[in-house]
Amino acid sequence: QSVVTQPPSASGTPGQRVSFSCSGSSPNIGKNPVSWYQQLPGTAPQLLIYNNDQRPSGVPDRFSGSKSGTSASLAISGLQSEDEADYYCLVWDNSLDFCVFGPGTKVTVL
Amino acid sequence: EVQLVESGGGLVQPGGSLRLSCVGSDFNLNNYWVTWVRQVPGMGLQWVANINQDGSKKYYVDSVRGRFTVSRDNTRNSVFLQMNSLSADDTALYYCSSAIAAPESLWGQGTLVTVSS
Repeated sequence: QSVVTQPPSASGTPGQRVSFSCSGSSPNIGKNPVSWYQQLPGTAPQLLIYNNDQRPSGVPDRFSGSKSGTSASLAISGLQSEDEADYYCLVWDNSLDFCVFGPGTKVTVL
Repeated sequence: EVQLVESGGGLVQPGGSLRLSCVGSDFNLNNYWVTWVRQVPGMGLQWVANINQDGSKKYYVDSVRGRFTVSRDNTRNSVFLQMNSLSADDTALYYCSSAIAAPESLWGQGTLVTVSS
């Protein structure tokens, strides 16, 4: 069981905005930056967001991240069929002294 | 093509050992922290271990500490994961990633480790 939690699923219709959380506690999200990864079926994960809200070059601005207190969120606006994937948050935990992934959120485009 | 290439996976008996390699192709791995991440097929990602640029700092998830050792050889642009005392719980696809939480992040395609008798 991970020290950070994510909802197992989220869904929306094309064009809608969908968002979901990554909830943790003081030693992890409360103290350290969160990154987000997209994993398309059958492929390796790819970085979507780093340092809570920064997008690497090449990531569409439809993807946005935020953090407040011990929780972070990823939002996808203008949802597209190609956004169907699993999304994971990652954060360092100062108490555990290693990084932890959230359990992942599966996004379905209806 | 800029990529990371993992190798060394395979079928091993419980209690056995394997050594995974991660090599940078057209990419200088030496400049980055490198992380090993594993994934049981159909399940989520698990952070396993990482190592800094000169190999002086290494961190491990509790479940592998004392059994796995991460190392690097910057003359060979390579990072390794020595895995000992393997059990069925270690069966997974193992990825290496450079600069995992930085804009230069790069992932390999993974190497499959199966622990079974």
